[in-house]
Amino acid sequence: QKEVEQNSGPLSVPEGAIASLNCTYSDRGSQSFFWYRQYSGKSPELIMSIYSNGDKEDGRFTAQLNKASQYVSLLIRDSQPSDSATYLCAVNPPGGYNKLIFGAGTRLAVHP
Amino acid sequence: DGGITQSPKYLFRKEGQNVTLSCEQNLNHDAMYWYRQDPGQGLRLIYYSQIVNDFQKGDIAEGYSVSREKKESFPLTVTSAQKNPTAFYLCASTRRGGQGTEAFFGQGTRLTVV
Repeated sequence: QKEVEQNSGPLSVPEGAIASLNCTYSDRGSQSFFWYRQYSGKSPELIMSIYSNGDKEDGRFTAQLNKASQYVSLLIRDSQPSDSATYLCAVNPPGGYNKLIFGAGTRLAVHP
Repeated sequence: DGGITQSPKYLFRKEGQNVTLSCEQNLNHDAMYWYRQDPGQGLRLIYYSQIVNDFQKGDIAEGYSVSREKKESFPLTVTSAQKNPTAFYLCASTRRGGQGTEAFFGQGTRLTVV
């Protein structure tokens, strides 16, 4: 089982819709979770971080964490064509240092 | 402006040649990391350093070497022992302080074997 799993997509949504991106992780002791956006050929850009169960909202983005189910998600409201990118889920496993384990990413395509 | 600078943006390596990728940060971050990304894949950790003059192997360290002589700099050498070095290389840094610290990335170096 991969440590961090994401559906590779592509996830195609119409402009203005809600895009829902999902991620599961295998290490139950993980405490920190991050969503990065990566445009083609560019480096990852941090969108959201979440550390406790529940929802965290920032503008059009909402991160959701359920540690019991080992599940973290990202919702993008009012999706725009500029949101089209690959979204990487990253998990900080226990171990005392800031090593991040990345999923392979979900490609999102927002069409007008 | 604070940030992480990687150079060069594109690099071409001949068979059997060692090449060095540069990573400099002025964020005053203690920890620095090197990741490798292959097409359609996530990032895999090559090496990381939590403090000057100390570094640790990540998941795919074979064929790579690093040094951390200064807080601001963490160069990565891709040696001839790395048989499949063509990839996108990303340098990142975080503040020291245990888990939960967000990582920030440089612009990346795309390495191609010719």
